[in-house]
Amino acid sequence: KQEVTQIPAALSVPEGENLVLNCSFTDSAIYNLQWFRQDPGKGLTSLLLIQSSQREQTSGRLNASLDKSSGRSTLYIAASQPGDSATYLCAVRGGNQFYFGTGTSLTVIP
Amino acid sequence: DAGVIQSPRHEVTEMGQEVTLRCKPISGHDYLFWYRQTMMRGLELLIYFNNNVPIDDSGMPEDRFSAKMPNASFSTLKIQPSEPRDSAVYFCASSLVGTGETQYFGPGTRLLVL
Repeated sequence: KQEVTQIPAALSVPEGENLVLNCSFTDSAIYNLQWFRQDPGKGLTSLLLIQSSQREQTSGRLNASLDKSSGRSTLYIAASQPGDSATYLCAVRGGNQFYFGTGTSLTVIP
Repeated sequence: DAGVIQSPRHEVTEMGQEVTLRCKPISGHDYLFWYRQTMMRGLELLIYFNNNVPIDDSGMPEDRFSAKMPNASFSTLKIQPSEPRDSAVYFCASSLVGTGETQYFGPGTRLLVL
């Protein structure tokens, strides 16, 4: 069974810093990988989706990379802002199943 | 578009009662997902539909859970009878294959079974 791990579980950084969130998965036979953001008490918002044939995707200050062979993805956030504070989850689609990591809780300190 | 709509937003019930959660996906989307989120287990996929047909229900915890999608604009998740361990936030999400399968989540239903 696919296992998705996100380390660290929590991260606190000062405003303006660039940061990297990590996601690892055990089975490289994936269809795609998504990064989501979840604010407290809210649903998930999709940030970036990378197909298995792609290496990276970019949206504004966000850049996600995918290395299937090593079972890793990273989400890079440039020039962090207090509004970026949230929990970030990665999700892997393999076959008919979708597997989520437990998330990294990010706090950006003004 | 109003996004994915879920009702009720909060539900408190007693053990043994039937609970019905409702979801209206984004118009035109052809996939619908039901998830459960708890502190202990994180986010788990329960079941998903494609064009109203269940594709994978291997995440449904037991026979007390059932889901239906009678048409493209409505789905229900039913728990009968409910138990305290069913307490969680239940999310519905929808997607469209043509957009690369990006999933759009509803606000969730927070269920508490006493």
